[in-house]
Amino acid sequence: NAGVTQTPKFRILKIGQSMTLQCTQDMNHNYMYWYRQDPGMGLKLIYYSVGAGITDKGEVPNGYNVSRSTTEDFPLRLELAAPSQTSVYFCASRITGGNQPQHFGDGTRLSIL
Amino acid sequence: EDQVTQSPEALRLQEGESSSLNCSYTVSGLRGLFWYRQDPGKGPEFLFTLYSAGEEKEKERLKATLTKKESFLHITAPKPEDSATYLCAVQAGRDDKIIFGKGTRLHILP
Repeated sequence: NAGVTQTPKFRILKIGQSMTLQCTQDMNHNYMYWYRQDPGMGLKLIYYSVGAGITDKGEVPNGYNVSRSTTEDFPLRLELAAPSQTSVYFCASRITGGNQPQHFGDGTRLSIL
Repeated sequence: EDQVTQSPEALRLQEGESSSLNCSYTVSGLRGLFWYRQDPGKGPEFLFTLYSAGEEKEKERLKATLTKKESFLHITAPKPEDSATYLCAVQAGRDDKIIFGKGTRLHILP
């Protein structure tokens, strides 16, 4: 049982390049989330999904896109990378129902130069 | 506006010196409050869930408590391995929105 797995762990992109951050979970969780964490700023929600085929915007969705074709996978797409997207990105999942904690991956550290 | 505030931002303690971290919140319709531990280069790791005022949960040297306006994470006789960032999150509202605080960086000196 691997939990939540994120790839890659590190990536450097040039301004204007595109990439996909991968997230997969093996716990059969319906809810999945993407956050970004900047120094001193806490976790900011980018997008979330309550099940396969359903996604919704969070607090800071501009510049990102997501899809959820399966329960297990929730990739995050950056289409035109900008320096402001330099951050650490965390994927999380949880089971359906109130008061259930999130389980986090170990993050992707992304630098846009 | 829903808000979660953690204090202090950073705390340095000597090994064995007990203290408390604070998480205050202003939300409508609290569903639950979560505490996480985050080590450098890692994702947050779940510690506790608290549901209602008066509730307490314990795990080793950590004890979490909840009132109607805030939660405390008490750390008793801490060890250097307790050094980490501690995050508080609140789940609230009809849409089960989850709001994180900015965290408290705890450093335990040997």
